Amino acid sequence: GAVVSQHPSRVICKSGTSVKIECRSLDFQATTMFWYRQFPKKSLMLMATSNEGSKATYEQGVEKDKFLINHASLTLSTLTVTSAHPEDSSFYICSAREPGRVVAQYFGPGTRLLVL
Amino acid sequence: DQQVKQNSPSLSVQEGRISILNCDYTNSMFDYFLWYKKYPAEGPTFLISISSIKDKNEDGRFTVFLNKSAKHLSLHIVPSQPGDSAVYFCAASVQVGQGAQKLVFGQGTRLTINP
Repeated sequence: GAVVSQHPSRVICKSGTSVKIECRSLDFQATTMFWYRQFPKKSLMLMATSNEGSKATYEQGVEKDKFLINHASLTLSTLTVTSAHPEDSSFYICSAREPGRVVAQYFGPGTRLLVL
Repeated sequence: DQQVKQNSPSLSVQEGRISILNCDYTNSMFDYFLWYKKYPAEGPTFLISISSIKDKNEDGRFTVFLNKSAKHLSLHIVPSQPGDSAVYFCAASVQVGQGAQKLVFGQGTRLTINP
């Protein structure tokens, strides 16, 4: 299957700082990438759909000014958690759909964010 | 509103036997269903999918069955192997306009294969 990478894999930051997470599709071009958040022992919750060259589409209840998404190229999407607070601590996962695939999304390894 | 439900948080199966993971859904607009496998601190790995117009799809040891009238699907793994121990997520795909599509995930079932 297609390969999606994420960086960093783990980040610890102080409350009030901003954190950027990168998601890259390594062997294919992805016009659409997705950002998810997973709470402990919970399901993956879609936060937003990242569209190359246009604004991201956010799910209901997700603050677009808090979680900034930029899809600058066909292989890179970034999620910036602005003014992070302890409640933003979570596991953030990105995914991308390989062109030609009907529906399956390929996921990155995830980023564990801990806000102190 | 939980549109995709996996009612069993955990399942233990003996090595070599069949593992059956279940998933129920409520939205009749879902057009594809997928199963993902996830290890701790890793992203989900795609296993197998099925179109809503099919009732069965098989890939090696993995078979997914879809019962549309019951809004129920299941993943069968046979024979089960220790490496199958992981959390399994059921996901459903829905079109959200202008060709866009999104996945809705269930809560996951932790499968443990006992030697």
